Amino acid sequence: DTAVSQTPKYLVTQMGNDKSIKCEQNLGHDTMYWYKQDSKKFLKIMFSYNNKELIINETVPNRFSPKSPDKAHLNLHINSLELGDSAVYFCASSHLNWDGGRAGNEQFFGPGTRLTVL
Amino acid sequence: GESVGLHLPTLSVQEGDNSIINCAYSNSASDYFIWYKQESGKGPQFIIDIRSNMDKRQGQRVTVLLNKTVKHLSLQIAATQPGDSAVYFCAENIATDSWGKLQFGAGTQVVVTP
Repeated sequence: DTAVSQTPKYLVTQMGNDKSIKCEQNLGHDTMYWYKQDSKKFLKIMFSYNNKELIINETVPNRFSPKSPDKAHLNLHINSLELGDSAVYFCASSHLNWDGGRAGNEQFFGPGTRLTVL
Repeated sequence: GESVGLHLPTLSVQEGDNSIINCAYSNSASDYFIWYKQESGKGPQFIIDIRSNMDKRQGQRVTVLLNKTVKHLSLQIAATQPGDSAVYFCAENIATDSWGKLQFGAGTQVVVTP
């Protein structure tokens, strides 16, 4: 059984196009994330949703818009794709673990979507 | 700004030897640390975690050590196997960030040779 799944696995598109990546988790988690991994393998968080509410929004261009229709899904829509958007995008999920008011959590990652913008 | 980890280095290990992967962090407010393993073409996979009130935690063939004095985290892999070849990431959660945001280091490429 797949815990965190993403579609598509590969996405090749032309500059200027609009595309979406879908993510689903069947772990019953309340929090989902989008990460971008560049060519040097550096992982950077982009967004996070907790119970369908946006809780983390890093400095990401407005062309990127996450949407969470329910707790099990977090989709990423990208408008006007640019060459620099080429990367691997990972979805992750977790259950926020409150311990004395702080949260430290194991995040479960999907298999990634390799986006190539030509 | 503060960061976790180093530029992506490569650690070459002979099969059967022990591996030690190091990670430096600079945020003294971090209270939770995680190690992930990423194999080629796959997503990061959780290995082990540790909270700041501990200095050592052991799992199956893995041990994480935390030295808060020098802000250093290490992952030890016992009897390294070919299947351990991957990129390993450390990540930290800053206590003042109550939404569990993880900040990842740059990763270490581990290559296991026969």
